[in-house]
Amino acid sequence: QLQLEESGPALVKPSETLSLTCNVSGGSIRSSNHYWAWLRQPPGKGLEWIGSIYYSANAYQNPSLKSRVTMSVDTSRNEFSLRLTSVTAADTAFYFCARHAYLEGNWFDPWGQGILVTVSS
Amino acid sequence: EIVLTQSPGTLSLSPGERATLSCRASQSISRSYLAWYQQRPGQAPRLVMFGASRRPTGIPDRFSGSGSGTDFTLTISRLEPEDFAVYYCQHYGSGNTFTFGQGTKVE
Repeated sequence: QLQLEESGPALVKPSETLSLTCNVSGGSIRSSNHYWAWLRQPPGKGLEWIGSIYYSANAYQNPSLKSRVTMSVDTSRNEFSLRLTSVTAADTAFYFCARHAYLEGNWFDPWGQGILVTVSS
Repeated sequence: EIVLTQSPGTLSLSPGERATLSCRASQSISRSYLAWYQQRPGQAPRLVMFGASRRPTGIPDRFSGSGSGTDFTLTISRLEPEDFAVYYCQHYGSGNTFTFGQGTKVE
């Protein structure tokens, strides 16, 4: 059974860079049928897609965040990562990683359990 | 940009009752690109419907999806205690854009 798990700092200072990693277990990140995605959810609010990356490192991002987002993939460790620069309090959210099924309809399944990242000095 | 509007915001029902959740798009969309997620308190979202009416493996058949064009519906035929959660619809659009509705809470 495929499982995803996010890891990284829970607290980031304003103007600094948020860095998260998602470890994939129970399956290979080198799937030809899937991208790997980052999404986020401010506490008590709705969901926002951040970006998706393929195992070849081809990636695309939400235009509203594109200038601040970098994603990478490490196939040897079966994990992928997110960097979000110049964070502000508005970036405080639960960050989720998920498998992105892009061939049929572009949905996300399964998801990691999420990690709360707070931006505060 | 397509906007998804879910209604009602909150649905107050009892176990055993039928839940009907609506997701309306600001313009006509392909049903292939419409998905629904369930989010229980303190948990990550879980896919419960894709392609508007296709159930992922492991999702009970009391969940069904329908709709086309601008109007889509997620129906839970008989609510079980574990179904009380927030439900989100999601669309994939041109230009690699992903849009979520604001959610419907089933309480």
